[in-house]
Amino acid sequence: ETGVTQTPRHLVMGMTNKKSLKCEQHLGHNAMYWYKQSAKKPLELMFVYSLEERVENNSVPSRFSPECPNSSHLFLHLHTLQPEDSALYLCASSQEDRAAFFGQGTRLTVV
Amino acid sequence: KNQVEQSPQSLIILEGKNCTLQCNYTVSPFSNLRWYKQDTGRGPVSLTIMTFSENTKSNGRYTATLDADTKQSSLHITASQLSDSASYICVVREAGGGNKLTFGTGTQLKVEL
Repeated sequence: ETGVTQTPRHLVMGMTNKKSLKCEQHLGHNAMYWYKQSAKKPLELMFVYSLEERVENNSVPSRFSPECPNSSHLFLHLHTLQPEDSALYLCASSQEDRAAFFGQGTRLTVV
Repeated sequence: KNQVEQSPQSLIILEGKNCTLQCNYTVSPFSNLRWYKQDTGRGPVSLTIMTFSENTKSNGRYTATLDADTKQSSLHITASQLSDSASYICVVREAGGGNKLTFGTGTQLKVEL
């Protein structure tokens, strides 16, 4: 275990559904990240929260909405997703630019 | 546009053999470069981190090199084991604010008996 916990581990949702992914870390890190990993593609950085302030968006579609209520929790709210959004979504945390600790991911399938 | 390119895309080697993975980048200004190991379906685990002034860094059977002049890095795996089968990802951080990271496409390594 890396100290970063993601829930749920698997999620199947319809294109009209609204769901949220949750990430939690108690490592005392001050930065948290959302990544998307599609098959045969490199990790795509979606959002970064540093000291609870979002610092990079990376042109992610608005159907993905992050929320970071405090330094230990990070959410990714999903609505009206497309089938091509099916992927492994990884959360990570780090202390400044030190090694990032990753969660085990949420396998999302949009039907 | 910042880019990180890795080669080979995939590699199959016999257990006990050595191998070297390559990473070329165009990220500028450069802050640091990490090699991650990622098992299928899991998050990446950091193997090494190298800054501008470091040429070589080892972590057990893993040895990373960095040539900041040519913007190339390599990851050498010695005496490979079956558990080394994974995707190896090179990640370069841009200097300055914003936590900007550029990920390579990864090298898929398979170690066979």
